[in-house]
Amino acid sequence: DIQMTQSPSSLSASVGDRVTITCRASQSISDYLNWYQQKPGKAPKLLVYAASSLESGVPSRFSGSGSGRDFTLTISSLQPEDFASYYCQQSYNTLGTFGQGTKLE
Amino acid sequence: EVQVVESGGGLVQPGGSLRLSCAASGFSVSRYYMTWVRQVPGKGLEWVSVIYAGGTPYYPDSAKGRFTISRDISKNTVSLEMNSLRPDDSAIYYCARGKSVRDGMDVWGQGTTVIVSS
Repeated sequence: DIQMTQSPSSLSASVGDRVTITCRASQSISDYLNWYQQKPGKAPKLLVYAASSLESGVPSRFSGSGSGRDFTLTISSLQPEDFASYYCQQSYNTLGTFGQGTKLE
Repeated sequence: EVQVVESGGGLVQPGGSLRLSCAASGFSVSRYYMTWVRQVPGKGLEWVSVIYAGGTPYYPDSAKGRFTISRDISKNTVSLEMNSLRPDDSAIYYCARGKSVRDGMDVWGQGTTVIVSS
């Protein structure tokens, strides 16, 4: 199984900050990496797919990068509605595993 | 509107069974891969099963032999039959549509809660 490790597990930030969350795969997964945002009591929402492609309707302050084993999700200027949990997920193989999540507070 | 709506969750005793349903609208379940993902409140996300557009199902070891995913194209629904339920199966179960095999899951339901307890 491919393991996905996110860091940090939690992150304190303020409105206007630039925030970066990292995700490392236990093996190379090319660009088969997706990012989700989840707010309390809500379902996850797809933000970025294929490592760097922004899902339709997602604000441009979100961006993804990386390939191989190392990936990042960046929020260029944190907005109040961005305080949430973020998960990476590999889609390189069937039943693509999720990272453990990063709580942005 | 493209959406999925789950139903069927509830309280069940250990060893019992439950059938979850996912009703899709705005698209055909025959053209996408459909998944069930679960989450213990406050914890992370875990795949439970997937059924590809061609109809092939897959399960993680934790669900293999106990869970069965199926779809009814005529009703545009996906179901998850869960047997031999254990307390650690307690979670919110989400139905989600796969954007494509590579590109993640772009449509999620609101989730249905399963509690396995005596």
